[in-house]
Amino acid sequence: GAVVSQHPSRVICKSGTSVKIECRSLDFQATTMFWYRQFPKKSLMLMATSNEGSKATYEQGVEKDKFLINHASLTLSTLTVTSAHPEDSSFYICSASRQGTSYEQYFGPGTRLTVT
Amino acid sequence: EDQVTQSPEALRLQEGESSSLNCSYTVSGLRGLFWYRQDPGKGPEFLFTLYSAGEEKEKERLKATLTKKESFLHITAPKPEDSATYLCAVLSGSSNTGKLIFGQGTTLQVKP
Repeated sequence: GAVVSQHPSRVICKSGTSVKIECRSLDFQATTMFWYRQFPKKSLMLMATSNEGSKATYEQGVEKDKFLINHASLTLSTLTVTSAHPEDSSFYICSASRQGTSYEQYFGPGTRLTVT
Repeated sequence: EDQVTQSPEALRLQEGESSSLNCSYTVSGLRGLFWYRQDPGKGPEFLFTLYSAGEEKEKERLKATLTKKESFLHITAPKPEDSATYLCAVLSGSSNTGKLIFGQGTTLQVKP
């Protein structure tokens, strides 16, 4: 159990367009979902935390209007990168915590975003 | 300030050569310490959670231990398929969101 999927796995978009990334917990209900960004050979950088039905909590320095997060159900969260620019190119990873567990986070396989 | 430091940054081992990875932490009230494995281009894979000093957990060639200041990930007789980046993360007692604080990781390369 504790499988998290992400879609798409890779996406290339043009500068100025928006891209939506989906994160799903496949076999459990996720109280909380997290969105990370990872630069090459670097550790994970938390962007935001989202709870089902609530507004996301963004980390300092992360633009809320640029990275829109929606957590519509206990199994689905989406990250929309609006008006993408080349500097938004990165590896985006989501994770999910199960209800009633000890805060273990289970990660998705990641989405590689390239903005041209 | 809560902080996690992993060492070494990189480690090269011969197949069968046992070693340990270190994760030192300073946190206001540890609620949990987590080990993950990450392969290139993939999301982290959960390995272990440790909650209190003295606790140990094992999985195949991996054994994680915890003290009040650090955690070790012992790798016994590693194989090339153990090559990956190993990430350590802690959950602070001051967190009410479940936010994990990650170390920078140790990249392990096991040569045949």
